[in-house]
Amino acid sequence: GQQVMQIPQYQHVQEGEDFTTYCNSSTTLSNIQWYKQRPGGHPVFLIQLVKSGEVKKQKRLTFQFGEAKKNSSLHITATQTTDVGTYFCAGRGLYNFNKFYFGSGTKLNVKP
Amino acid sequence: DTGVSQDPRHKITKRGQNVTFRCDPISEHNRLYWYRQTLGQGPEFLTYFQNEAQLEKSRLLSDRFSAERPKGSFSTLEIQRTEQGDSAMYLCASSPGLAGVVTGELFFGEGSRLTVL
Repeated sequence: GQQVMQIPQYQHVQEGEDFTTYCNSSTTLSNIQWYKQRPGGHPVFLIQLVKSGEVKKQKRLTFQFGEAKKNSSLHITATQTTDVGTYFCAGRGLYNFNKFYFGSGTKLNVKP
Repeated sequence: DTGVSQDPRHKITKRGQNVTFRCDPISEHNRLYWYRQTLGQGPEFLTYFQNEAQLEKSRLLSDRFSAERPKGSFSTLEIQRTEQGDSAMYLCASSPGLAGVVTGELFFGEGSRLTVL
């Protein structure tokens, strides 16, 4: 079955340092979404990538979708304490638009 | 508040009891999802509705789990004869779901946390 793997599982950074999380799928995806979940909260949508090689930016966040549409990354420049949380990627398969396969998430902790 | 609401937020039950969770999606959203999340893991797909039709159900879901969405509005998820392994956060999400279009972010509710003793 389809699997979405995400690394690293945890990342501790000093405020101001950069952070990257990587997402890899066992199969080609139709699109991929990224979500952020704050401690004690629920996942909140950040962005969706659809095209091969697509790059999107949201302020300090940069999202990439691989050329083969099997991997993706989220990069945060100059982390802030407000970036604390768990970041999930969620991939949608080519032939089944009904469900998203979530990665296990990367938990980011930012030390002030 | 026009977001996704779930009830109850917390449920503690004894093994063997039945529990039911309710989800009220965003009113104009025709797609509704149930996910389960355990500590340190990402949300795991359980089932999906398009309007009132349950179009997909995870093979991981035992027959103790049943979900309904009468009239295509709110949804309920019932777990019969609960087991300790059912302890988790049950998340509901809705999506506007445009037919034939690859889109549709998920709007999650706050979740219903189940503890089975």
